[in-house]
Amino acid sequence: AQSVTQLDSHVSVSEGTPVLLRCNYSSSYSPSLFWYVQHPNKGLQLLLKYTSAATLVKGINGFEAEFKKSETSFHLTKPSAHMSDAAEYFCVVRASGGSNYKLTFGKGTLLTVNP
Amino acid sequence: GAGVSQSPRYKVAKRGQDVALRCDPISGHVSLFWYQQALGQGPEFLTYFQNEAQLDKSGLPSDRFFAERPEGSVSTLKIQRTQQEDSAVYLCASRALAGSYNEQFFGPGTRLTVL
Repeated sequence: AQSVTQLDSHVSVSEGTPVLLRCNYSSSYSPSLFWYVQHPNKGLQLLLKYTSAATLVKGINGFEAEFKKSETSFHLTKPSAHMSDAAEYFCVVRASGGSNYKLTFGKGTLLTVNP
Repeated sequence: GAGVSQSPRYKVAKRGQDVALRCDPISGHVSLFWYQQALGQGPEFLTYFQNEAQLDKSGLPSDRFFAERPEGSVSTLKIQRTQQEDSAVYLCASRALAGSYNEQFFGPGTRLTVL
């Protein structure tokens, strides 16, 4: 079975500094991986996805993630944090085969951005 | 256009009461999903519909949970004889087509508190 582990439950950065949210995956096949963001009282929004094309994936709002098979990692980065980036971030893996509609979420990383 | 909507947004129930949670997917979306998000956790898959057919209900925690989508549009998640452990945010998502490469769009969720 596939799974993801988000290594930090809470990350705090200052506005204008880089953001790094870490995610490791476990999968017996080449996975499809996603990052979602959840703002308070709003629905989950897809930031970016990796589906075995380019290993460096660019998403919305300046976020990007790099798939590293050797490290089984899919870390999310942004060069410069903005106050509006404060939210909960989820790393997600999609099942393969007949259950490929099923998403498995990590426990989430709460990003705090300080002025 | 309108996104996925859910109602009510908040529901407080006394232990033992039955509740019904509604999901209005994006118009024309074929696939519909329900997730349960406990406090401090990532969403967990409950069930999946393709049109009116419930193709996977493996994530439903017990036989007290029941979901339906009789006309292939609006869906209702019903919980009978609610227990305190049912307290969570219930998320609904819809997807345009059945293909796994299509994005799931999430609603804002219904926060259920069982006293």
